[in-house]
Amino acid sequence: GAGVSQTPSNKVTEKGKYVELRCDPISGHTALYWYRQSLGQGPEFLIYFQGTGAADDSGLPNDRFFAVRPEGSVSTLKIQRTERGDSAVYLCASSLTGGGSNRYEQYFGPGTRLTVT
Amino acid sequence: AQSVTQPDIHITVSEGASLELRCNYSYGATPYLFWYVQSPGQGLQLLLKYFSGDTLVQGIKGFEAEFKRSQSSFNLRKPSVHWSDAAEYFCAVGARMDSSYKLIFGSGTRLLVRP
Repeated sequence: GAGVSQTPSNKVTEKGKYVELRCDPISGHTALYWYRQSLGQGPEFLIYFQGTGAADDSGLPNDRFFAVRPEGSVSTLKIQRTERGDSAVYLCASSLTGGGSNRYEQYFGPGTRLTVT
Repeated sequence: AQSVTQPDIHITVSEGASLELRCNYSYGATPYLFWYVQSPGQGLQLLLKYFSGDTLVQGIKGFEAEFKRSQSSFNLRKPSVHWSDAAEYFCAVGARMDSSYKLIFGSGTRLLVRP
């Protein structure tokens, strides 16, 4: 079946602009995660959705970052007043729910490479 | 706090040689452990996982990993490396706290394969 998809694959924006990154999870996966991967680093957690609600947003770096999942499927990560330090690959993942271990088996999309000039 | 350390930034092996990538974790109880592989321009692909039970776990592409509680390690192994295995490998631990199911990743090990 189809995996996690993310659009756009690449986004170049100017400092101070607003950007939206989209994630379409695997069908039937109610849990959705956003991670950020800086150059030479492993992914870092940003936010976790269970259904429509953000169950854990402890990884969002500041209030310029916001994410929504209004219908419990597609999610959008929104970044206001972008800064050069926001340049990174933004990864989305989804998982099943139910038993505890299922939620950790996360399937990742190809990512959106964001470059802030 | 939970953390993952991958002490080797780069490893180079010859095609057909055996491989071991190191991973050490910090966690107070029995962890959920994962290895992912990331090829250039690709997303992360799950190679294998450990939740409980047999400490030697088999994954895809001929990889295996062994959980050693006494050493807080979860090293990835492959008996014979293929050129297509060249990629970045990430070890991760599941953060089992409160309502969070986030994964905490190490900084990765880049595998280079000599022909």
